Formats: sequence, structure tokens, C-alpha cells
Amino acid sequence: AQTVTQSQPEMSVQEAETVTLSCTYDTSESDYYLFWYKQPPSRQMILVIRQEAYKQQNATENRFSVNFQKAAKSFSLKISDSQLGDAAMYFCAYRSSDSGYALNFGKGTSLLVTP
Amino acid sequence: DTGVSQNPRHKITKRGQNVTFRCDPISEHNRLYWYRQTLGQGPEFLTYFQNEAQLEKSRLLSDRFSAERPKGSFSTLEIQRTEQGDSAMYLCASSLNQGIAKNIQYFGAGTRLSVL
Repeated sequence: AQTVTQSQPEMSVQEAETVTLSCTYDTSESDYYLFWYKQPPSRQMILVIRQEAYKQQNATENRFSVNFQKAAKSFSLKISDSQLGDAAMYFCAYRSSDSGYALNFGKGTSLLVTP
Repeated sequence: DTGVSQNPRHKITKRGQNVTFRCDPISEHNRLYWYRQTLGQGPEFLTYFQNEAQLEKSRLLSDRFSAERPKGSFSTLEIQRTEQGDSAMYLCASSLNQGIAKNIQYFGAGTRLSVL
């Protein structure tokens, strides 16, 4: 089974600054999908950004961008111009493209945004 | 479109009792997933439906757990003879299998189970 590792249990960033959350994964597959989900306290998980492994271009969604390094099996999330509303748990997730539809999640990184 | 709906939001039960949770997916989403999330962990996959067919089950889904999706609409997850180790947040997600939203799973707010 593929494993997803988030090595930063907690991160802190000042409002308007930039922060990068790390994620590495282990797989022998060549085609797959990677996701970052955000889970605010006591609220549902929402998708932040996704990346298809066959695409070389890094995905971008407004203030959120990823650095996808396929050879290194690394998928970090960069949040620019951090806002108080960005405070949440962030989960990195992996999904195989041809062996099931389950998402494999990391343990998450808790992001604190300070004024 | 009101998103994925889960009921109840909280459930407290005594060890040994049976509990049932309900999930209403986003309308027209033909795929439905159940996950379990314990404190300090990411969600763990339990099972997956395409329409009414249960196509994948995790080894985490012991024989005390059963899930159904009659008519390919809402789904129920039942836990029989609950144990304290079953205490967790149970998350439901749904997705389409075509279009630009393909492969994106949309999550509900979850049902938090506490087994006393």
C-alpha cells in the first residue's frame, strides 16, 4: 500500500507571509493523483488543490501552489499571502489511477496563522 | 446542491450497542466512500460504492461493520456490538466519474461516535 508522510505536525506563519507544507509519498506506480485537503476545526474537509502525476506543470489555485517533484516523490504545498482563514489541518493524499479509488492520507499538518 | 450530508453529527452509545449512520451524497454523484478518522490521524478508507455496488472494502472493515447503498442514493454504515476502539469520526465522501470534477472527493462534516 502506498504511504503518505507529512513530517511537520505543526507549522506557524504570520499573516501575509508565505508558508510551505511538506509531503512525501511512497509508490511504485507511474500514474496517480495527489491532493491537498484542508480541514478547519469542527468543519468538513475541502479540496485545496490537486495534481495529476502525468502533468509536469505544477498546479496552482489562487494563493495555493504545489511543488511536485515526481522523481523525489515529493508534493509540497505553498500558501502565499497567508490569511487568518487559512488556519486548519492540512492533509496530503494519494490516489492510485488504476488500483482502486481510496484516498491514502498523511497524518496532517496543523497550520497556525498569527496576526 | 447542498453538499454531502451526514446524520447524526454526534452519537454517544454504550459498548455493545448497535449504531447506524446515514450519508446523503451530492445528487448525481455515483461514487460514495466511507472513511474513519481518529484523533491526530488522517482519514482511513473503509469502503467504496459505485452506484449500489460495494466495490472495495478495507481490512479495517471488520465483520461488525456493514455498509449499504440501496438504489445507489444514500448510504448507511452500521456498527454492531460497538467497542471503545470504534470511537472516531466517520466521514462520507462522494464523487463523479466523469467531467472536470472527476476524481475529486467531496466530504461531509462527519459523524462523531463516542463509545462509553
